[in-house]
Amino acid sequence: QVRLVESGGGVVQPGRSLRLSCAASGFTFSTYAMHWVRQAPGKGLEWVTTISPGENYEYYTDSVKGRFTIVRDSSKNTVYLQMSSLRAEDTALYYCARGGTTVVSAINWWGQGTLVTVSS
Amino acid sequence: QLVVTQSPSASASLGASVKLTCTLSSGLSKYAIAWHQQQAEKGPRYLMTLNSGGTYVLGDGIPDRFSGSSSGTERYLTISGLQSEDEADYFCQTWDNGIHTFGGGTKLTVL
Repeated sequence: QVRLVESGGGVVQPGRSLRLSCAASGFTFSTYAMHWVRQAPGKGLEWVTTISPGENYEYYTDSVKGRFTIVRDSSKNTVYLQMSSLRAEDTALYYCARGGTTVVSAINWWGQGTLVTVSS
Repeated sequence: QLVVTQSPSASASLGASVKLTCTLSSGLSKYAIAWHQQQAEKGPRYLMTLNSGGTYVLGDGIPDRFSGSSSGTERYLTISGLQSEDEADYFCQTWDNGIHTFGGGTKLTVL
């Protein structure tokens, strides 16, 4: 059974950093694209970033480029989201999601999310 | 431009059918999409992948009351035999060379 478990969320001051983790199980982690998607309170889903199965390619939405970094560690079956220079508008529930075996494929499994609140 | 548009709300009666629409921006008529469901206070759940030809593949455990179809730049999700648990937000997702985008979602009310 596929399982994605996010952790690392919390309250952080503007301008500070935070690292989210997503532990994956139930599938061959190294062969799937992985995503982070966020949802601000009362809003819809916003794609944040994707990393390819071979760790060769990363993709970001414009609002986080230069501030967020996605990394995967296949030895730990874990994908991370390193967030820096955080802003109030980054406040959201952050979901880890699995894609297909390429980056040009649908998200087909979701975690339960971890909440990030950026506030002074 | 990767833009996806959904109507904000829809409603239908218990036991009836409803068809939700996801409209892709012009030039994207060959693009596939995915449909996702999000019930209140829950995380999203993947429903299906739908291609431009109208062929769809349901996710694990998704009942065949859910189906998809396509016409031009429009992608549809049809739910038959509506049940109370179908009341949820429905999001469509598409992608282009590693960049992904979601529609704003349709809130479905089951009357």
